[in-house]
Amino acid sequence: NAGVTQTPKFQVLKTGQSMTLQCAQDMNHEYMSWYRQDPGMGLRLIHYSVGAGITDQGEVPNGYNVSRSTTEDFPLRLLSAAPSQTSVYFCASSYNGLPGYTFGSGTRLTVV
Amino acid sequence: RKEVEQDPGPFNVPEGATVAFNCTYSNSASQSFFWYRQDCRKEPKLLMSVYSSGNEDGRFTAQLNRASQYISLLIRDSKLSDSATYLCVALLYGQNFVFGPGTRLSVLP
Repeated sequence: NAGVTQTPKFQVLKTGQSMTLQCAQDMNHEYMSWYRQDPGMGLRLIHYSVGAGITDQGEVPNGYNVSRSTTEDFPLRLLSAAPSQTSVYFCASSYNGLPGYTFGSGTRLTVV
Repeated sequence: RKEVEQDPGPFNVPEGATVAFNCTYSNSASQSFFWYRQDCRKEPKLLMSVYSSGNEDGRFTAQLNRASQYISLLIRDSKLSDSATYLCVALLYGQNFVFGPGTRLSVLP
């Protein structure tokens, strides 16, 4: 049982490049989310999904797209990377919100 | 105003000390509450849920006061391994988890 798997662990992008952060869970969780964590800001919700085919925006969705074609996978796409998107990105999943989320190990993204 | 606020910290305490973290939330419709622990450069991990009646897990005690919109975490007999950042989390609705900025704890030998 791998839990929540995120790839890559580290990434450096140039401004304007696009990329996809991968997230997969093998716990049959309905709910999945993407957060970014910046110093002093805490975790902020980017997008979330309550099931396959259903996604919605969180607090900071601009510059990111998501899709949920299967229960297991929830990729996050950066459309045109900007230095402001330098952050640590966490994917998380939950069966029904209780007792909380299981997080992946994170992706450290630097945009230069 | 942030929806979930925490003591700014850092808290530096000696081994064996008792330390308390406070957290307030602004949305009275918040449904559930949690404490997460995050080690340096690691992902957050669920420490415990917080119930209205208060709950205890070993050296850790969590309390919720809905009237005051206040949550607390008490750590007794602190260990070096308790050094981490503690995140207070409120579930508003659905999957809308709101995280506090965290309070860093350093337990000193």
